[in-house]
Amino acid sequence: AQRVTQPEKLLSVFKGAPVELKCNYSYSGSPELFWYVQYSRQRLQLLLRHISRESIKGFTADLNKGETSFHLKKPFAQEEDSAMYYCALRPTSGTYKYIFGTGTRLKVLA
Amino acid sequence: ETGVTQSPTHLIKTRGQQVTLRCSSQSGHNTVSWYQQALGQGPQFIFQYYREEENGRGNFPPRFSGLQFPNYSSELNVNALELDDSALYLCASSLAGESSYGYTFGSGTRLTVV
Repeated sequence: AQRVTQPEKLLSVFKGAPVELKCNYSYSGSPELFWYVQYSRQRLQLLLRHISRESIKGFTADLNKGETSFHLKKPFAQEEDSAMYYCALRPTSGTYKYIFGTGTRLKVLA
Repeated sequence: ETGVTQSPTHLIKTRGQQVTLRCSSQSGHNTVSWYQQALGQGPQFIFQYYREEENGRGNFPPRFSGLQFPNYSSELNVNALELDDSALYLCASSLAGESSYGYTFGSGTRLTVV
C-alpha cells in the first residue's frame, strides 16, 4: 500500500534549536517526495521537493531509500517556522495523485 | 500572475442535499486536482482534471463528480451529502508534465453538512 507516515502530531522546540520533522513512506517504486507547509491563516504551499535537492528557508530534506524516509531538517529553528508541515509522495507510475501524511505541527518557542 | 481561487469559502448544507464548489486555476496551469481534508488529517486525493476530462481518481464514490472548463477552471459536485462529507475541500492547479514541481493550492472551501 502507498502510504506516508508522519509520526509526530506536534513538535515543540526552542528558538535556535535544531529541528527534524519525520516522514516515512511506503511505496514499491521510486517516488517523488515533497514537503508542504501551511502557516497560520495561509494556504498550503510547497516548501521543497527532493529532486531539486534545494534548501529553502534553511530547511533541507534528504531522501533515504533504504530507510524509506524523507525527514525535514533545519539546524536552527526560527519563530517564523511555526506552522503545519505535510510530507507528500507522488507515485511515479500510473497515477497523478499525491499522497499526504497527516501533518506535524511545529511550534518554535521563544 | 493570479493564484488559485476557490468559492465559496464556507458553506453549510443539509444531509441529502447537493453542493457545487468552484475553482479557478493559476494562470498558465492546465491541470486541476481536488482534495478533501478532514479535521486532523492530511489532504486526500479526490480526482484530477486535464483537458476537460477526469485524469485520475481516488477512493471516492461516484456521487463526487467534477468538471473542467475550457479556461481550465473547475467544479466539484457532491450529491446526496453525508455528514462525513464535512471537510475542507482544496483545489490545486499544476501544469501537465510538470507535476514534479508540485501544486499551487487554493485556500479551500469549508463544507459543513448538518
